[in-house]
Amino acid sequence: GESVGLHLPTLSVQEGDNSIINCAYSNSASDYFIWYKQESGKGPQFIIDIRSNMDKRQGQRVTVLLNKTVKHLSLQIAATQPGDSAVYFCAEKRAGANSKLTFGKGITLSVRP
Amino acid sequence: GAVVSQHPSWVICKSGTSVKIECRSLDFQATTMFWYRQFPKQSLMLMATSNEGSKATYEQGVEKDKFLINHASLTLSTLTVTSAHPEDSSFYICSAQTGYQPQHFGDGTRLSIL
Repeated sequence: GESVGLHLPTLSVQEGDNSIINCAYSNSASDYFIWYKQESGKGPQFIIDIRSNMDKRQGQRVTVLLNKTVKHLSLQIAATQPGDSAVYFCAEKRAGANSKLTFGKGITLSVRP
Repeated sequence: GAVVSQHPSWVICKSGTSVKIECRSLDFQATTMFWYRQFPKQSLMLMATSNEGSKATYEQGVEKDKFLINHASLTLSTLTVTSAHPEDSSFYICSAQTGYQPQHFGDGTRLSIL
């Protein structure tokens, strides 16, 4: 069936470096993508989203890139900080206000001081 | 804005007990609420989708008689785990959404059945 997956289970980066978290999706009908951050014992926190009519969107220290040709999504975090340590999930959904989200497997970002 | 409150955050109870979890959207009206289950080191698995005033739509493999969902208002949905057993122990997370806005999540409820 269709799925959303992540390439690597863990990522360790040095504080101050840039982080890149990648995600592959297989549902060509998906038109909306979201990155969530989940800290231990908490629910997912919205980071940034992007619609399929865009290929790049920037937020505060974060950038999401979408490559529909190869069905690839990435999250770039600039100047990674210890507070960025968490599990990151990409999620996709199809068109429609209340269509459900499909979450990827998650990747743990660990920031070394 | 877009705050979702979930209560309780942690509950321990005996096998056979029924447990109710509340999910509230505090500063917006949620046309749709979702309930997820998450096992350690795993992703979120959607259990059901709930629209205000309607019966919940359950995902395949989720027992509707086991996991009762009520969405009586635009700011409150409840999940009741009936006759809970140790295998029901998990992290349950709700989310709320309005229109085309992103889903916003509560901080989850850790359920431990002894």
